[in-house]
Amino acid sequence: NAGVTQTPKFRVLKTGQSMTLLCAQDMNHEYMYWYRQDPGMGLRLIHYSVGEGTTAKGEVPDGYNVSRLKKQNFLLGLESAAPSQTSVYFCASMRTLGETQYFGPGTRLLVL
Amino acid sequence: SQQGEEDPQALSIQEGENATMNCSYKTSINNLQWYRQNSGRGLVHLILIRSNEREKHSGRLRVTLDTSKKSSSLLITASRAADTASYFCATHSGYSTLTFGKGTMLLVSP
Repeated sequence: NAGVTQTPKFRVLKTGQSMTLLCAQDMNHEYMYWYRQDPGMGLRLIHYSVGEGTTAKGEVPDGYNVSRLKKQNFLLGLESAAPSQTSVYFCASMRTLGETQYFGPGTRLLVL
Repeated sequence: SQQGEEDPQALSIQEGENATMNCSYKTSINNLQWYRQNSGRGLVHLILIRSNEREKHSGRLRVTLDTSKKSSSLLITASRAADTASYFCATHSGYSTLTFGKGTMLLVSP
């Protein structure tokens, strides 16, 4: 099993450009999450999903959209990138409520 | 907002020494989890302790939970250079999400 994978690993964007980050898991997990990690800020939850077709806002959702059309995939979109969105983005999945989360390797995004 | 807060923010020890990190939280929890993050990598789950448990062991890891003080500690015994990483606590309070602290950076020197 590959676990949780993220695409791409690294990306440079110009302000105003759009992009989609893809997260895929092969563990048949119900719950999926998108976090961003900035120096000194720990992990902050952007959006999450409790099952196929569902999405919900986390702590810092502004400027991002998500979709979970298939159970194994969770997409994070930036419609108009801003320098403040420069960060490392992590996806995670969880089988059921209260269990451990499995993290992907991260996507480094630089917005110029 | 952050639920768990780790202490200290950074810890530097020699190989063979023990490392202790603490986590405090604010609201009642169902469980508390510890994760490790090597530089530039995703987080890896270490151990989960439920609210009705007081202590748990896994290899060289020992976790304690004091719900009356809303605090937990992670002890790594006989540290190795490979233990160098950031360590995060995360709390589950019955909702669909975990709340992570800001982490403790551990440096283990040979």
